[in-house]
Amino acid sequence: RKEVEQDPGPFNVPEGATVAFNCTYSNSASQSFFWYRQDCRKEPKLLMSVYSSGNEDGRFTAQLNRASQYISLLIRDSKLSDSATYLCVVNIGGSQGNLIFGKGTKLSVKP
Amino acid sequence: GAVVSQHPSRVICKSGTSVKIECRSLDFQATTMFWYRQFPKKSLMLMATSNEGSKATYEQGVEKDKFLINHASLTLSTLTVTSAHPEDSSFYICSARDNGRLAGGPHEQYFGPGTRLTVT
Repeated sequence: RKEVEQDPGPFNVPEGATVAFNCTYSNSASQSFFWYRQDCRKEPKLLMSVYSSGNEDGRFTAQLNRASQYISLLIRDSKLSDSATYLCVVNIGGSQGNLIFGKGTKLSVKP
Repeated sequence: GAVVSQHPSRVICKSGTSVKIECRSLDFQATTMFWYRQFPKKSLMLMATSNEGSKATYEQGVEKDKFLINHASLTLSTLTVTSAHPEDSSFYICSARDNGRLAGGPHEQYFGPGTRLTVT
């Protein structure tokens, strides 16, 4: 089983749509969780951290279920500029604090 | 936010030559830097963890003699791809961890813009 698994995508949605991404992780000792956004041929950029209580940042809502080892990202009222690949990332901790990346889910928002 | 730079951003080299990629933390000190590789349509894969003043820690399957890492200062780590082959063509990204932040914090690692290597 892969350490971090995501919806394969791609997601093609119209502007204004609501889209949800799911992610599961295998290491129950994982310490922190993130969603990153990666544009084509660019480095990943932190979108938001994910907390057990759920957190919201504008149109973006992230949730974590530690019992199910499941992470989600909801994007409301999607914009053309939201088109990118969304990476689910888990920090497995330890002295080096390595990040484990999912393969990403590509989102394409159409006019 | 913290800035990490990489140089060069793009390099094309001939098979058999060596290529050096630099990763710098511009406004913070980084005891630890990470080197990742990303093939098209694949996820980022950690290659090695670079530790200032000591040897790098390589992930399983990554040849330490082929991918030489030097972390000589708190703001600079270099990755040298030795005797490059076409299969080494990839997007190489470094990240740096800010010494001043707690481990596991939301901004623990800052990513450089990446280096696209093409070996012909």
